[in-house]
Amino acid sequence: DAMVIQNPRYQVTQFGKPVTLSCSQTLNHNVMYWYQQKSSQAPKLLFHYYDKDFNNEADTPDNFQSRRPNTSFCFLDIRSPGLGDAAMYLCATSREGAAFYGYTFGSGTRLTVV
Amino acid sequence: ELKVEQNPLFLSMQEGKNYTIYCNYSTTSDRLYWYRQDPGKSLESLFVLLSNGAVKQEGRLMASLDTKARLSTLHITAAVHDLSATYFCAVDIGNQFYFGTGTSLTVIP
Repeated sequence: DAMVIQNPRYQVTQFGKPVTLSCSQTLNHNVMYWYQQKSSQAPKLLFHYYDKDFNNEADTPDNFQSRRPNTSFCFLDIRSPGLGDAAMYLCATSREGAAFYGYTFGSGTRLTVV
Repeated sequence: ELKVEQNPLFLSMQEGKNYTIYCNYSTTSDRLYWYRQDPGKSLESLFVLLSNGAVKQEGRLMASLDTKARLSTLHITAAVHDLSATYFCAVDIGNQFYFGTGTSLTVIP
């Protein structure tokens, strides 16, 4: 089945130690998104790729970076995680012009910072 | 600044009762989506509403969209325990989703 896969499901990292979260998709969608969701809050858009074009939200901290080496994969890099970065990170995809499908979300990666 | 607000934020209701969740948004959009999220899980798509007056129904849930009022509703009919979850609306602005504040629903036996 076509899907959006996030790895790992759970990630524990040390304060200040760089960490990378990954997302892959078999849907061939050209748009990929990263959301951060803290406990009891709505998902917050960090950035998205429209094909290879990177779009950063204005309030996304510089500590967060992203890479999209090809259509199928997208990575979220947190250069120096702080305790406040503990959250669920959600990857989503969509296809340009296919708004009627909405987004397809991955299962998420829950990040713990110790 | 775009605002997407849901009411209520928390809802506790008895099984068998009806209730409506409201989603108000502050800018023009004719595309609105409803998602369900179980604790610790990702988001599951419930409804896609793409035009003014759109109404979709699935089981005990029915969603509607009034783009002129910038309002969507999610109506719950004869609630059952399995509907306990957090429900988010999301507005599509230029291919970007902006989520509402969420409504945490608990259905009590």
